[in-house]
Amino acid sequence: EDQVTQSPEALRLQEGESSSLNCSYTVSGLRGLFWYRQDPGKGPEFLFTLYSAGEEKEKERLKATLTKKESFLHITAPKPEDSATYLCAVQAAPRGYNKLIFGAGTRLAVHP
Amino acid sequence: EPEVTQTPSHQVTQMGQEVILRCVPISNHLYFYWYRQILGQKVEFLVSFYNNEISEKSEIFDDQFSVERPDGSNFTLKIRSTKLEDSAMYFCASSERTGGNIQYFGAGTRLSVL
Repeated sequence: EDQVTQSPEALRLQEGESSSLNCSYTVSGLRGLFWYRQDPGKGPEFLFTLYSAGEEKEKERLKATLTKKESFLHITAPKPEDSATYLCAVQAAPRGYNKLIFGAGTRLAVHP
Repeated sequence: EPEVTQTPSHQVTQMGQEVILRCVPISNHLYFYWYRQILGQKVEFLVSFYNNEISEKSEIFDDQFSVERPDGSNFTLKIRSTKLEDSAMYFCASSERTGGNIQYFGAGTRLSVL
């Protein structure tokens, strides 16, 4: 069964303290891995998509990487405004090639 | 920047009543989706829709649920007879293409079934 597991469940950082979030996945065939940010009471906001092992994407303080079994979201020198829940999702092939399968998310709190 | 728009933001209904949740996808997108998120749980896929028909649905999407694209801009989710366990955030999403293409989400409709 296709599955996505994120760790840790929650992470508390001091402003400027870099860290990484993990997303491990088990799918029959990966068509894409997606990172989203979700603020309380809001919809998921797209951050990155990765398609093949070794791929990396970067945006401001965030960098996403992908291996054959997991993805990392690295946060460099975070600020309080980076506080949110970060969701990882996969699209699997050939079954269920449309739907996104989400992990439970990592709740990040960045304190001044 | 184009965005997915959902209305209402909050819907309160009595158990057994019908509700319709509305979405306006991004205008040049061809694929439409509904997801739900029960409080404190994962975002779960409900259904995908393309070319005026359902292309995929989950086990959650039973006979109580239906989707429709009544005109060129709206995409709706109907729940015929709501249950307490239908209380959740419902998110609409759209994408240009399928298979690895980015899905953009709306802000959601919070459905409260009393």
